[in-house]
Amino acid sequence: KAGVTQTPRYLIKTRGQQVTLSCSPISGHRSVSWYQQTPGQGLQFLFEYFSETQRNKGNFPGRFSGRQFSNSRSEMNVSTLELGDSALYLCASRSGNLNTEAFFGQGTRLTVV
Amino acid sequence: AQSVTQLDSQVPVFEEAPVELRCNYSSSVSVYLFWYVQYPNQGLQLLLKYLSGSTLVKGINGFEAEFNKSQTSFHLRKPSVHISDTAEYFCAVTPAGMNRDDKIIFGKGTRLHILP
Repeated sequence: KAGVTQTPRYLIKTRGQQVTLSCSPISGHRSVSWYQQTPGQGLQFLFEYFSETQRNKGNFPGRFSGRQFSNSRSEMNVSTLELGDSALYLCASRSGNLNTEAFFGQGTRLTVV
Repeated sequence: AQSVTQLDSQVPVFEEAPVELRCNYSSSVSVYLFWYVQYPNQGLQLLLKYLSGSTLVKGINGFEAEFNKSQTSFHLRKPSVHISDTAEYFCAVTPAGMNRDDKIIFGKGTRLHILP
């Protein structure tokens, strides 16, 4: 079974631009969560999607948004990038039936200059 | 809501010595608990999990953890560490069973430094 795939692995953007990150979960998994990881703040929960609906949302500004498609693939979008958005963005996949463990992708390293 | 506290941000330990990484959680409902490991420039990998049953849980790479409900703790232990265990370790919690508020909450991580 293929694992969680995140693309791209690395990204450099300019302040003010927008960016879209992609995540393909494990086959059969219906839940996709996104986390932002920074040295100072650790892993912070952005949002979770389940069967194309946002099920949970963290405490991030509206510049951060996401969506999930019918095949469970998910995208995350950040508009009007700020320097502070530089981070490792991690996607996690869960089956969605029970609150069991999450399986993580390798992440997308976003650098805003 | 749940929360997780990892009491040590960094733990140095000599190779072949035992190690304990501490984790305490807070929750008003029953929980599932996890430990994850992150190697440099990688995602998180599950080390072990507690869902129910025996409070002593064994995981990969020789790690184990003990769930203590009265002390709301889930400390991670390894009897003898190796250089390859150098990584960051995250404790995590989520409500048990199906629940509307079922995101996984992570601690801030503990960086394990293995000294030669």
